[in-house]
Amino acid sequence: KAGVTQTPRYLIKTRGQQVTLSCSPISGHRSVSWYQQTPGQGLQFLFEYFSETQRNKGNFPGRFSGRQFSNSRSEMNVSTLELGDSALYLCASSLSRPARGDNEQFFGPGTRLTVL
Amino acid sequence: QQPVQSPQAVILREGEDAVINCSSSKALYSVHWYRQKHGEAPVFLMILLKGGEQKGHEKISASFNEKKQQSSLYLTASQLSYSGTYFCGTDPFSGAGSYQLTFGKGTKLSVIP
Repeated sequence: KAGVTQTPRYLIKTRGQQVTLSCSPISGHRSVSWYQQTPGQGLQFLFEYFSETQRNKGNFPGRFSGRQFSNSRSEMNVSTLELGDSALYLCASSLSRPARGDNEQFFGPGTRLTVL
Repeated sequence: QQPVQSPQAVILREGEDAVINCSSSKALYSVHWYRQKHGEAPVFLMILLKGGEQKGHEKISASFNEKKQQSSLYLTASQLSYSGTYFCGTDPFSGAGSYQLTFGKGTKLSVIP
């Protein structure tokens, strides 16, 4: 079974630009969560999508948005990029809602975003 | 609110044991543990649920003290492959609706020969 895939793997942008990251979950998984990882901060929750609906959103500004398609693939968008947005963006999929029961999350390799 | 992990970093020799702790200020429904090796994605290790149910890695053990809102991960007879950063993720007990994992900042474990 193929794992979680994320594209692109690396991205360099300049301040003010916008970026779209893509995540394809494991086949059959319906929940996709997005995390931002920076040195010293660990994994910070961005949002979770289930059945094409955003179910939870972390404490990030409105410049961060996302969506999920009917095939469970998800995209996240960051508009008006700032230097502080430089990070590894990870997506994780699970069979159903994460964090309850036996719904472990399977992480993708991440997209490394650098904002210059 | 982000759970607090301790220690922040630990260095072990092969064969030694280690305990990683995760503490939350909120009542918890579950605690999840993940390990991330350098340059790789985090990998699931274990889930501990309120009420005592566990699911996870056969060679790793953990505990969940619901009253103290704490969890500990026990790594025994460490191997070089155990090196990495360990994250705990907590799901606060909020009745209905919240399925959001909040992760700690991680504990960096280095196992040396």
